[in-house]
Amino acid sequence: GESVGLHLPTLSVQEGDNSIINCAYSNSASDYFIWYKQESGKGPQFIIDIRSNMDKRQGQRVTVLLNKTVKHLSLQIAATQPGDSAVYFCADTKEGYQKVTFGTGTKLQVIP
Amino acid sequence: DTAVSQTPKYLVTQMGNDKSIKCEQNLGHDTMYWYKQDSKKFLKIMFSYNNKELIINETVPNRFSPKSPDKAHLNLHINSLELGDSAVYFCASSQDLGKLFFGSGTQLSVL
Repeated sequence: GESVGLHLPTLSVQEGDNSIINCAYSNSASDYFIWYKQESGKGPQFIIDIRSNMDKRQGQRVTVLLNKTVKHLSLQIAATQPGDSAVYFCADTKEGYQKVTFGTGTKLQVIP
Repeated sequence: DTAVSQTPKYLVTQMGNDKSIKCEQNLGHDTMYWYKQDSKKFLKIMFSYNNKELIINETVPNRFSPKSPDKAHLNLHINSLELGDSAVYFCASSQDLGKLFFGSGTQLSVL
């Protein structure tokens, strides 16, 4: 993703509801996409990834959807918990290329 | 055991000073990175090294000089610190495409 935002978008979700975090990327040559979670005071942590030959990948309570046509990525979190409160980043790169580009980030606030 | 460790965690210094941040990874990864995170949480890549060789240098002022003595270490030296250098600096390492392991960050405050 390429960061163009001037502020950190925030998503507030009730505990137990599903969360959907969206991301747009700009490099049409990217073929590998990753979601990271950054908790307060920590470095980003890998959550889930997807390659460009797939449009959906599921993990434990998380699902990533990829729409290459519109260069859009989303992260769905099922049954959101307070521990999910963090800033979420999408990132993209391509095979054989070391540079990983991060998107703007979305802050997820879980309301108990 | 901390996988990627960077020191110091906090760094407060005056404008014009020179400072260094150290990073070590015990994961056996070949690639290491420095990222800068601003106050709006935007993460921007600065440098990447693969097996001690510089492979990415992203339009970073030459006041910033990375150094990799071996593939487990990537240090960042900053000369003549400026107010705009205030940020959180993250070291990361990776072995697999795009899957980065980050340190806990160094919060640099330039006064």
